[in-house]
This record gives sequence, C-alpha cells and structure tokens, in this order.
Amino acid sequence: QQKVQQSPESLIVPEGAMTSLNCTFSDSASQYFAWYRQHSGKAPKALMSIFSNGEKEEGRFTIHLNKASLHFSLHIRDSQPSDSALYLCAVGTGGYKVVFGSGTRLLVSP
Amino acid sequence: GGIITQTPKFLIGQEGQKLTLKCQQNFNHDTMYWYRQDSGKGLRLIYYSITENDLQKGDLSEGYDASREKKSSFSLTVTSAQKNEMAVFLCASSGLGGNQDTQYFGPGTRLLVL
Repeated sequence: QQKVQQSPESLIVPEGAMTSLNCTFSDSASQYFAWYRQHSGKAPKALMSIFSNGEKEEGRFTIHLNKASLHFSLHIRDSQPSDSALYLCAVGTGGYKVVFGSGTRLLVSP
Repeated sequence: GGIITQTPKFLIGQEGQKLTLKCQQNFNHDTMYWYRQDSGKGLRLIYYSITENDLQKGDLSEGYDASREKKSSFSLTVTSAQKNEMAVFLCASSGLGGNQDTQYFGPGTRLLVL
C-alpha cells in the first residue's frame, strides 16, 4: 500500500526567502505527482503536477521529481505572506486513487 | 469553469445519528471522491466513484455509505455518528481519474457530533 510522507510538518520563513517542501513515496510504480495548497478554511487547490523525472517551473514555483529516490519537492522562490497555507503532496499509481500526504504548514512572516 | 457545491456547510449531529452529506458538480466530470480531513491534516479517501452508479471503497470506508445516482451528484452517509467526532468532509471531482488529472475540491462540510 502506497505510503506518502511529507517533511517538515511545519515551517516558518521570512518574506522573500526560498521555501523547500519535501514528499517521499513508497511505490516505485507511481506515475502522477502533484502539490495542492489549502488556505485556512478553504478548499485544497492544485498548484502543479509532474509525470516524469526532472523539474518543472511555473512562476515562483518549481517542482522537482526524482523517481529513483522516491522523492519529489516543491520550491517557492521569493515567498510571500499570501503563500502561508497547508501544502499537500499527492501521488497516483494508476487507476483512480490518489494518496495525499499529511501536509506541511507554511507560515511566511512579513 | 465549473464549481463544486457541498451541503450543508456545517452539520451538528447527535451520537448514533445517521447523517447525510451532499455534493454537486457542474464540471461534467466522471470521477468523484469523498475525503475526510481531521484538524488541518492530510486527506483520507472514504469513497470514490468513476461513473454514475459506481462505488469504490477507499481506505476509510468503514462507518460510511455512499451513493452516486447521477453523474453530477455524490452523497456520503455517516451511518452512526461517533461522540465528539469533529472533521471536515471534502468532495472532489476529476475528468480523467486520479492518475492523470487534477482534482477539484468543494468547500467542505464541517461535522461536529455532540
């Protein structure tokens, strides 16, 4: 059964800093890797997804996948107070199920 | 763009009560999901449905029933509410299924059992 773990559990960074969030998974057959962001009291919303090894950049956000290491990450450049939220990683192995991690709570201090 | 609506927004129940949560989507998506989120933590899959009248159990299905009578709607029933239970139930939908496609979430139903 797929195990998805996130680190750290929580993180405080100053405004303008680079933020790095980590996600490890257990099933090497995993094919879909995504990050979702959930502001307090709101619905989770997809940020980015990746399907093959390497990097993908969208604005201030970069997702990096290393399947051999069973690891992917999200990097936020020039972090803003509006980035403060719960970040959830998600992994899909096929079929219709996606397993979510337990989340990293990010606080960006002004 | 589409939207997912969940009703009710807040649900207060009594121990042992049967409680029903409803979800509607107008994306015309085939796949719908119910997740439980405890106290700002991750999401645990309760049930999902890949088409009308289909039901698949997730990791947390015990104590719940689900129903997908129409493509656009997916209901979840808590069969016997547990005392002091407090959680947010999130409904989601996707076009192609979890392996390839983004899931779109509703705003959630917040449950409190007295």
